[in-house]
Amino acid sequence: DTEVTQTPKHLVMGMTNKKSLKCEQHMGHRAMYWYKQKAKKPPELMFVYSYEKLSINESVPSRFSPECPNSSLLNLHLHALQPEDSALYLCASSPIRDRLSEQYFGPGTRLTVT
Amino acid sequence: GQQVMQIPQYQHVQEGEDFTTYCNSSTTLSNIQWYKQRPGGHPVFLIQLVKSGEVKKQKRLTFQFGEAKKNSSLHITATQTTDVGTYFCAGPSGGGADGLTFGKGTHLIIQP
Repeated sequence: DTEVTQTPKHLVMGMTNKKSLKCEQHMGHRAMYWYKQKAKKPPELMFVYSYEKLSINESVPSRFSPECPNSSLLNLHLHALQPEDSALYLCASSPIRDRLSEQYFGPGTRLTVT
Repeated sequence: GQQVMQIPQYQHVQEGEDFTTYCNSSTTLSNIQWYKQRPGGHPVFLIQLVKSGEVKKQKRLTFQFGEAKKNSSLHITATQTTDVGTYFCAGPSGGGADGLTFGKGTHLIIQP
């Protein structure tokens, strides 16, 4: 199984809502990532988890809260978002080796904040 | 973090013509990866280059890593409509883990 799955595919939420994005992989990868991608732009790294521990937080606002419950799952909790947070949120995973490894991306969650 | 510059931003070609996209970094890269993202899709890993001067081929795609490991290119020979999409180069984010910093991407548009 070389697939990363993400739910939901689409999400519309108000600025006062709380919602969560979910990501799952069963490739045994011990590194997982969240990226944000705006239209016609490259993915931007948000968070990196390595062995279920947060290793990088790229100065992301606290209204985004990641969680890694186990080695297969990655969540992104959303609270009090702004309209400019509307984007495609991509989850990715990769094996941990002694050098940079290829990343496997999920199909993404398209988020609209109203 | 590290920055990777990529040009051109858009490339229109007639089907059958060749296509090249270029990436440059101001610092030496330990390695560089290339991804393709189809319209409405997600990035898909194409290849990783590690060695100075490395050249790798995948059918009609040729990837190069510069001698100084500061630049890279992707060349597609005889483009087909299935090649449509955005091609990104990506280098290590420099944060000590495996996050990626992507170039801005080259949007390849093919006219039949």
